[in-house]
Amino acid sequence: EVQLLESGGGLVQPGGSLRLSCAASGFFFSSYAMNWVRQAPGKGLEWVSVISGSGGSTYYADSVKGRFTLSRDNSKKMLYLQMSSLRAEDTAVYYCARSMGATIIPDAFDMWGQGTMVTVSS
Amino acid sequence: EIIMTQSPATLSVSPGERATLSCRASQSISSNLAWYQQKPGQAPRLLIYGASTRATGIPARFSGSGSGTEFTLTISSLQSEDFAVYYCQQYNNWPPDSFGQGTKLDIK
Repeated sequence: EVQLLESGGGLVQPGGSLRLSCAASGFFFSSYAMNWVRQAPGKGLEWVSVISGSGGSTYYADSVKGRFTLSRDNSKKMLYLQMSSLRAEDTAVYYCARSMGATIIPDAFDMWGQGTMVTVSS
Repeated sequence: EIIMTQSPATLSVSPGERATLSCRASQSISSNLAWYQQKPGQAPRLLIYGASTRATGIPARFSGSGSGTEFTLTISSLQSEDFAVYYCQQYNNWPPDSFGQGTKLDIK
């Protein structure tokens, strides 16, 4: 089955760290750039970060630059988002989403995981 | 930064009727626009990309049009499962993905 499955969300204190994972199945993982998109409770969608199919290029939204690190392991078909210096405004459902191509160019997202909730609160 | 503005914020339509949702970009994005559907508690689903190309498995009652700065998503005959929130997204400029604020499609 073609799917993305996120994990790793939870409750973390401000200033803390968390690592999200996204397991891919059913498609040739390294052929696609991968993204994280988040959605704060009751709000719209905000793109967070993208990584190329090879893993050699990454790009971040200004709101997370310097605090979040995106990586991938193509041999395991896994995507990771290391989040540090977390703030209350990072509270959201985090979705991994597949770009339609392999490179880091802006693109539509044709596959989404079910999301994992991250809550930053003391 | 490109700003995407969707209208209306809420649209109330009866089942079987046509729904027309609008999305405007603050500057030209050519045809680099996608539409997504999101139901409560679910992830977004890609409906349209390239402004007018239906994604795999999307019913023909969904159609997209427009280019430049003005775009439209039309649902020709609303089914019960179509009531959801719809987002447009530009992927022409960095930041790569500017989403609109969404249009909630309600049952009238």
